[in-house]
Amino acid sequence: EIVLTQSPGTLSLSPGERATLSCRASQSVSSSYLAWYQQKPGQAPRLLIYGASSRATGIPDRFSGSGSGTDFTLTITRLEPEDSAVYYCQQYHSSPQWTFGQGTKVEIK
Amino acid sequence: EMQLVESGGGLVKPGGSLRLSCAASGFTFNNAWMNWVRQAPGQGLEWVGRIKAKTDGGTTDYAAPVKGRFTISRDDSKNTVYLQMNSLKTEDTAVYYCTTGLFHYGAFDLWGQGTMVTVSS
Repeated sequence: EIVLTQSPGTLSLSPGERATLSCRASQSVSSSYLAWYQQKPGQAPRLLIYGASSRATGIPDRFSGSGSGTDFTLTITRLEPEDSAVYYCQQYHSSPQWTFGQGTKVEIK
Repeated sequence: EMQLVESGGGLVKPGGSLRLSCAASGFTFNNAWMNWVRQAPGQGLEWVGRIKAKTDGGTTDYAAPVKGRFTISRDDSKNTVYLQMNSLKTEDTAVYYCTTGLFHYGAFDLWGQGTMVTVSS
């Protein structure tokens, strides 16, 4: 099973700042098979990024994904109050066991 | 509108059983690989298992903590996927989401609202 480790656990930033979230895999993940999700309290997760760097439908271009191998990054530029949420990475490279990271909480001051 | 609606959650005693349902609408269900993902209170997301489309063999895969206890099945005539949970443990307490990757293999772009399962004596 591929273990995904996200850092930091919590990120506290002001509106307009840039957030950089990390996702590190225990073994190499094909970049085609790495996704990022946003989850707000009481809501189901929402797909932000698939294939490591492709934005899902309707996702603002403030959200971008990058990385390869074992190190991946989600960047949120020009933070807005509604970006306050928990963000998860997920790999779907290693079949049959697909796994999520433990999440990074982004707080907007 | 594409939609997934889960039902069947509730309170069950340890060792008991429960069956969750997920009704799909607005897309071609029989082509979709359907997944269950759970989230324990205050915790992160955990992939539970998957059933492939019948055209891809209709096979199932499960996460290690539920293998042998949980069974996923589908009824394409009813556009519904099921999660049969047996020998439930307190650590199975979670919100259970039905989800699928309609447009992107493996990346879940459609989610249900979730149904709560509480395992407690």
